[in-house]
Formats: sequence, C-alpha cells, structure tokens
Amino acid sequence: DVKVTQSSRYLVKRTGEKVFLECVQDMDHENMFWYRQDPGLGLRLIYFSYDVKMKEKGDIPEGYSVSREKKERFSLILESASTNQTSMYLCASKTGAYEQYFGPGTRLTVT
Amino acid sequence: GQNIDQPTEMTATEGAIVQINCTYQTSGFNGLFWYQQHAGEAPTFLSYNVLDGLEEKGRFSSFLSRSKGYSYLLLKELQMKDSASYLCAVSSNTGFQKLVFGTGTRLLVSP
Repeated sequence: DVKVTQSSRYLVKRTGEKVFLECVQDMDHENMFWYRQDPGLGLRLIYFSYDVKMKEKGDIPEGYSVSREKKERFSLILESASTNQTSMYLCASKTGAYEQYFGPGTRLTVT
Repeated sequence: GQNIDQPTEMTATEGAIVQINCTYQTSGFNGLFWYQQHAGEAPTFLSYNVLDGLEEKGRFSSFLSRSKGYSYLLLKELQMKDSASYLCAVSSNTGFQKLVFGTGTRLLVSP
C-alpha cells in the first residue's frame, strides 16, 4: 500500500512566521504535489515536482515555495505566513499517468 | 484553460441509486478521475476513465463521453457511509499530467 505522510495534522502559527510543511511518500513516486483545499473552491494546486530538485508552479504559487532534495520528501514553505493562508494543505504523489495518493492533510491556522 | 462543473450538493436515501454528473472543458484530455473524500479526511481514489464508456467497480460505476466533455459517477445500493464529497478531476497531457479538480459534490445519504 502506498503511504503518504504529512508532518502535522494541525498547526497554529502567527502572522509573519516561516512555516514548513513536510510530506513523505514511501513508493518511489517521481511526482509529488501540494494542494490547498478551501470550502467552495475545491483543491487548488500550489506547486508540484516531477523529480528531485525539480519544481513547477501550480495555479496559486504566490506566497509559497517548495523544496525537493530527496525523492521521497517534498516540503512546502510559507515564507511569511498570512491569515489568508489558513487552509487545509494536502500532499499527494503519483507515478506516470496513474492516480494520485493523498496524505492525511495539515489543517493550518494563521492567527 | 480548464473548467470543471459538478453539482454542489445532492441528497439520497439509503438503498437508492444516485448519479453525480461532471462536465469539463480542457485541451489535451488525458483522463478523468473520481475521488471520494469524507469530512476531515484525505481524498481516496475511486475510478479512472480515459476511453468512452462505463467502468464498473462493485457498487460504483463511472462513465465517460469525451465528445460531450461529460462524466458521471453512479453509486448503487447507497449506504450511510457513502455520505461524503465526490471530486471529479481531469488530467491533460500538457503540464506534466497534473490534475485539475472540480469543487466537489457533497452527497448526504439519509436513512
């Protein structure tokens, strides 16, 4: 079974803090993704990576950056957290054209 | 760009059949996925259609018409545990086969 894990289920940060969200997958998938999910807006792609050290912007990359130093790990970084980044963050991984497997999500609150 | 439409909410009765529709507009269509997401949990993969027709998997079936830009998810013999959001997502062969998600259909199954 594919397993995608995320470092925290719940996180509370203050405005202006730097925030790291970590994602690890154990199936040697080359593609990894970060989404945020908000009511009424669905899942929106922030960034994705198709290989180590490679990254591509998704639909809403502003205010975020990513890092992929190892194949199994994909990190999302909020350089200076703002209240409008309060959301559910979901990581996913896949190989080829097959389905994406999602992690359990991190509910981030920025106060 | 890509546009995906699905109803916001549906209700049905235990034991009944429900059909959740999804229409899409995309360039370079490369497959359509359905995911199930229970409240507070990660999406889980249900089905994948890349060719026209019906794919059946137990109580769940998914249909695709590429010429009409249309898919539906059919749930038979509804159970209370089927109460969840159902996400339609389209893959295109541009942009590393990333997925674009609809906003989801929340299904409420009542006794």
